[in-house]
Amino acid sequence: DTGVSQNPRHKITKRGQNVTFRCDPISEHNRLYWYRQTLGQGPEFLTYFQNEAQLEKSRLLSDRFSAERPKGSFSTLEIQRTEQGDSAMYLCASSRGAATNEKLFFGSGTQLSVL
Amino acid sequence: AQRVTQPEKLLSVFKGAPVELKCNYSYSGSPELFWYVQYSRQRLQLLLRHISRESIKGFTADLNKGETSFHLKKPFAQEEDSAMYYCALGIIQGAQKLVFGQGTRLTINP
Repeated sequence: DTGVSQNPRHKITKRGQNVTFRCDPISEHNRLYWYRQTLGQGPEFLTYFQNEAQLEKSRLLSDRFSAERPKGSFSTLEIQRTEQGDSAMYLCASSRGAATNEKLFFGSGTQLSVL
Repeated sequence: AQRVTQPEKLLSVFKGAPVELKCNYSYSGSPELFWYVQYSRQRLQLLLRHISRESIKGFTADLNKGETSFHLKKPFAQEEDSAMYYCALGIIQGAQKLVFGQGTRLTINP
């Protein structure tokens, strides 16, 4: 499968623990996005990277959330001191080309459950 | 504030009947609207975008700036159209950040 890959598919953790998710974008896609989707809602934009630069992170939900994209390839999303309200599906998407014409390709997501 | 509203969480129609999924948006700038679809056990994927003015799988959507709407239509529903449909507003600021609606689950009955 040459699409966007996310690992793990599922993560169960206890409140207060740290978790990290990984996203491998489609090769040569220079933009990478993170979205969060809670039950019954559409995806919610969190942050995005152009190559290795994180160009917007204002939508990250709190300072417990951080994302990196070293070397402009894969990306990680970390949540520190997890809370039950962090339980959600975390989606990654990648794209390339001009913003006005770009098409986002989504991964299958990581389902986080905080007990 | 940017907002997308899909008033119907669930929509059920019979095969061969017309389908219309409603979407309204709120945005002060020049909007770019999309419909994304998620079939059972598949990833979220782009169905169509308003600037393309194309028909995908028989679906069309027209941007009505006066009514701030971008309804998705298909004249004759097929069973394989059953899926979750999301309307999204694109905010283009160097990248395409999307504001999604809550989604409408469309079920096509045989």
